[in-house]
Amino acid sequence: QSALTQPRSVSGSPGQSVTISCTGTSSDVGGYNYVSWYQQHPGKAPKLMIYDVTKRPSGVPDRFSGSKSGNTASLTISGLQTDDESDYYCCSYAGSSTYVFGTGTEVTVL
Amino acid sequence: EVQLVESGGGLVQPGRSLRLSCIASGFAFGDYAMSWFRQAPGKGLEWVGFTRSKPYGGTAEYAASVKDRFTISRDDSKSIAYLQMNSLKTEDTAVYYCARGRCSGGNCYAPDFFDYWGQGTLVTVSS
Repeated sequence: QSALTQPRSVSGSPGQSVTISCTGTSSDVGGYNYVSWYQQHPGKAPKLMIYDVTKRPSGVPDRFSGSKSGNTASLTISGLQTDDESDYYCCSYAGSSTYVFGTGTEVTVL
Repeated sequence: EVQLVESGGGLVQPGRSLRLSCIASGFAFGDYAMSWFRQAPGKGLEWVGFTRSKPYGGTAEYAASVKDRFTISRDDSKSIAYLQMNSLKTEDTAVYYCARGRCSGGNCYAPDFFDYWGQGTLVTVSS
């Protein structure tokens, strides 16, 4: 099982929007609507931001949104804020009760 | 408030064993799957495995990289999940996290996502 492919880094100015892609295969991202996204600040535990491709847990700002097309899922952060500067990981169910993570993306707020 | 606290990490020699614990509070532990993850220094997240809740058999599933060496178990009476790691290798060096598994629908044979995570415990495998 290979890791899902994410851009190493993305950046934007405060108030702008950034989108992080997460590319897998028909055996993971494309095969199931079980993609989740996690935010991880340095030295901290991951935090769930999006689940089931598009759903936001309570407490997560609606500036965060998720989508999927084919084998690629995406996380969009609108109205970028300094506190959004972090690492982001996608995760997909990959069948047979297994899971695969993305390579991770560093978001920088300029 | 949901809390997960990992413990048991430390320095261990290659080939030896170590058991990690994940103590849960703030929710009905027995109703949820519990999963383990790891993150090698400077690297990304990796799923290690999970244990199902008892209604779904309480069985465990593992990533290929740890299968046959690691065992996940749970003690619902104490709200603790365990990760028994045997035949440790240097490449097992990582921060290990536990997390609660959740499902959107009624069937939760395998979690859809992981909503609460512990702070992690560092395991260093070195001679």
